[in-house]
Amino acid sequence: ETGVTQTPRHLVMGMTNKKSLKCEQHLGHNAMYWYKQSAKKPLELMFVYSLEERVENNSVPSRFSPECPNSSHLFLHLHTLQPEDSALYLCASSQVLINTEAFFGQGTRLTVV
Amino acid sequence: DAKTTQPPSMDCAEGRAANLPCNHSTISGNEYVYWYRQIHSQGPQYIIHGLKNNETNEMASLIITEDRKSSTLILPHATLRDTAVYYCIVRENSGYALNFGKGTSLLVTP
Repeated sequence: ETGVTQTPRHLVMGMTNKKSLKCEQHLGHNAMYWYKQSAKKPLELMFVYSLEERVENNSVPSRFSPECPNSSHLFLHLHTLQPEDSALYLCASSQVLINTEAFFGQGTRLTVV
Repeated sequence: DAKTTQPPSMDCAEGRAANLPCNHSTISGNEYVYWYRQIHSQGPQYIIHGLKNNETNEMASLIITEDRKSSTLILPHATLRDTAVYYCIVRENSGYALNFGKGTSLLVTP
């Protein structure tokens, strides 16, 4: 238990579906992140939120839409995904401007059919 | 953030020390060295980090060379559960996210 909880742990969705991934942190951190990890590839940073504002967006397709309603919650809204979007989606949190580590959730394994 | 170079894979016998090297020759003065590991299909787990002094915690030791251009993560008594991909990352103190490379796949054998 890292203090970062992701739901659901597994998700299968069709290309026309709309779904959302949820991340919640209980660590009092002020920054949250979404990463994507495709099979046998390094983790790719998707989005960064600091103090509830998006500060980084690494050329992610618009079919992925993040939302950070408060410092403890982060969502990733998914719509009209492609099979190549199947991956492990990881959420992390940290305290920015302080030299501390980031904590990761266990991820959501997404399969697009 | 500076780039890091790690060997793609290493083996270690159970009970022996695992020494994982990392080169970060372009590291700047305000960048820290972080180590994470990822056990198959789980979220990355923080291990240790340091600036220039050697560090030790309950999981591992981090040895950073005097010129800070390389470091070594030491797992003193490797177990089968230490089999994972180990990532060496450099990051500014005020930086946001961690940028992961390919890491080193460590296999601990009986």
